[in-house]
Amino acid sequence: DAGVIQSPRHEVTEMGQEVTLRCKPISGHDYLFWYRQTMMRGLELLIYFNNNVPIDDSGMPEDRFSAKMPNASFSTLKIQPSEPRDSAVYFCASSLRWGSNQPQHFGDGTRLSIL
Amino acid sequence: DAKTTQPPSMDCAEGRAANLPCNHSTISGNEYVYWYRQIHSQGPQYIIHGLKNNETNEMASLIITEDRKSSTLILPHATLRDTAVYYCIVRVDENQGGKLIFGQGTELSVKP
Repeated sequence: DAGVIQSPRHEVTEMGQEVTLRCKPISGHDYLFWYRQTMMRGLELLIYFNNNVPIDDSGMPEDRFSAKMPNASFSTLKIQPSEPRDSAVYFCASSLRWGSNQPQHFGDGTRLSIL
Repeated sequence: DAKTTQPPSMDCAEGRAANLPCNHSTISGNEYVYWYRQIHSQGPQYIIHGLKNNETNEMASLIITEDRKSSTLILPHATLRDTAVYYCIVRVDENQGGKLIFGQGTELSVKP
């Protein structure tokens, strides 16, 4: 079965450019999560969606970050304008249902470098 | 903040059982214990989770003490491909967000 699919796997761009990260959750999963991983802060939850609706975006660092989920099989995380401190690995995860008993399954991430 | 304590690193001989400990002395009655691992350049991989009872699946076994203040992840026959960072997570109750909060984990090195 296909897992969570993220693209691109690597992105290098210059400061000030717009960056769009993409995610396809596991089919049938109702919840989608965006995380960011850095050496300093570890893995942090940025935002999550239920049935395409954003539920909690308290982890989004700044207004430069935005996330959308136009349908059940696609989500984007956008950074505009990008800054060097945004360099990190960004992960998308999905889970079948809500609840502490529901595992989240992660994609392999997008390694973002802002020069 | 992570609610777990794990040793920063461990070694295990290939073919032997790897026993990874985790302390979670402040766990609440309805909070689950989750284990994930992260192999270099990959996303976190779900391994197993449990509430009170011991659990086993095709990847590992999870042993939770009766007072639930600690647990052990057991990889019965470790292989070189099991070399990874292993995260023990106490998952926040779903009524408070159900978040997965990753700590620093244990870096397991399986050696030939």
